[in-house]
Amino acid sequence: EAQVTQNPRYLITVTGKKLTVTCSQNMNHEYMSWYRQDPGLGLRQIYYSMNVEVTDKGDVPEGYKVSRKEKRNFPLILESPSPNQTSLYFCASSLGFAGDTQYFGPGTRLTVL
Amino acid sequence: AQSVTQLGSHVSVSEGALVLLRCNYSSSVPPYLFWYVQYPNQGLQLLLKYTTGATLVKGINGFEAEFKKSETSFHLTKPSAHMSDAAEYFCAVSPTDSWGKLQFGAGTQVVVTP
Repeated sequence: EAQVTQNPRYLITVTGKKLTVTCSQNMNHEYMSWYRQDPGLGLRQIYYSMNVEVTDKGDVPEGYKVSRKEKRNFPLILESPSPNQTSLYFCASSLGFAGDTQYFGPGTRLTVL
Repeated sequence: AQSVTQLGSHVSVSEGALVLLRCNYSSSVPPYLFWYVQYPNQGLQLLLKYTTGATLVKGINGFEAEFKKSETSFHLTKPSAHMSDAAEYFCAVSPTDSWGKLQFGAGTQVVVTP
């Protein structure tokens, strides 16, 4: 089944404890992206990647890191999480051309205490 | 810089009534336009999109949207609401010269009453 998977689905952590949220897609998509969803703000793009080893900032990159060492995986790294990073995170992927449809993962709900 | 505005954070419609969700964008060049739907506790899925060509776009589940350049709008409609349409709907835009960026509106929660 074609899908985008994220792990973990739920995570409660404490301020300053490094964490990684994994994202994997099995559709051989070139493009991948991370978003955070907050009430009243919709989804805001954190980082995106057009291809392996190519990443770029979205609208809210501060406090996050990403890497794209292989096409199928695009992990999101929070090196020193803070409470304002408590949010619902979505990973998405697409074939990689202008106007293409993005396919979303099920989401990761992160709470930083 | 572009922006996306969705009018109304919550919309209540009766089953069988028209669903109308408004989306306006601000951009010097018309962007690619999308409507996504999010059902409870799920990720987003595409309803429809406009990239080029016919300005009236038909999507899944009986939804359609019309791109009006003069009004910088991309409103979403469905003639007859069904209980299963209860969800949150997001309008999104992507600039044609930097298509990797996708910007979402704040979302509209649709409640369908019997």
